[in-house]
Amino acid sequence: DAKTTQPTSMDCAEGRAANLPCNHSTISGNEYVYWYRQIHSQGPQYIIHGLKNNETNEMASLIITEDRKSSTLILPHATLRDTAVYYCIVMAYGQNFVFGPGTRLSVLP
Amino acid sequence: GAVVSQHPSRVICKSGTSVKIECRSLDFQATTMFWYRQFPKQSLMLMATSNEGSKATYEQGVEKDKFLINHASLTLSTLTVTSAHPEDSSFYICSASGGQINEQFFGPGTRLTVL
Repeated sequence: DAKTTQPTSMDCAEGRAANLPCNHSTISGNEYVYWYRQIHSQGPQYIIHGLKNNETNEMASLIITEDRKSSTLILPHATLRDTAVYYCIVMAYGQNFVFGPGTRLSVLP
Repeated sequence: GAVVSQHPSRVICKSGTSVKIECRSLDFQATTMFWYRQFPKQSLMLMATSNEGSKATYEQGVEKDKFLINHASLTLSTLTVTSAHPEDSSFYICSASGGQINEQFFGPGTRLTVL
């Protein structure tokens, strides 16, 4: 079973920031938070991952709460091409990915 | 990020035939490769994990004699669906890991339709 809980779906206006929440209240100290997304009929695409500190790359920012029980993926300026299913995965080194149902993000024009 | 390719991208076959799907890591050496299956409107389900040169580890409920996995080199893994049936129709996705901190790179997927 997935160790995370995400909203089933979200809408976001094009050009605005998309904030995707993820709850992982049972996360262990050695488990990382990974985010992937899957555009329709394609393989998942890596977005970002983190352990404790907030992370930022060219695609997104990852904000992890101090108690690490939840996190938020931020797409700063969503475009129509960001419409996808976003998966939040919690995993320690050596474990396998367990994909939950994810959040279906629809970016609206 | 690293690039993983799959071939073919889609395949249609008759019931009872076998189908081979290739997964290649194009610009890195993949010590571990993973095979997933995804049915319509569902999430990815891990089928098996393979390390180069050793036998694959299958998830519970996945028949190892039906889904043959070979990981003969650090850049190639193959999944053969033997005696395919319509219920095997699905989207098959591979991923590869180069031993970095669990980061997996996914292929574009192969859509299998068994008639």
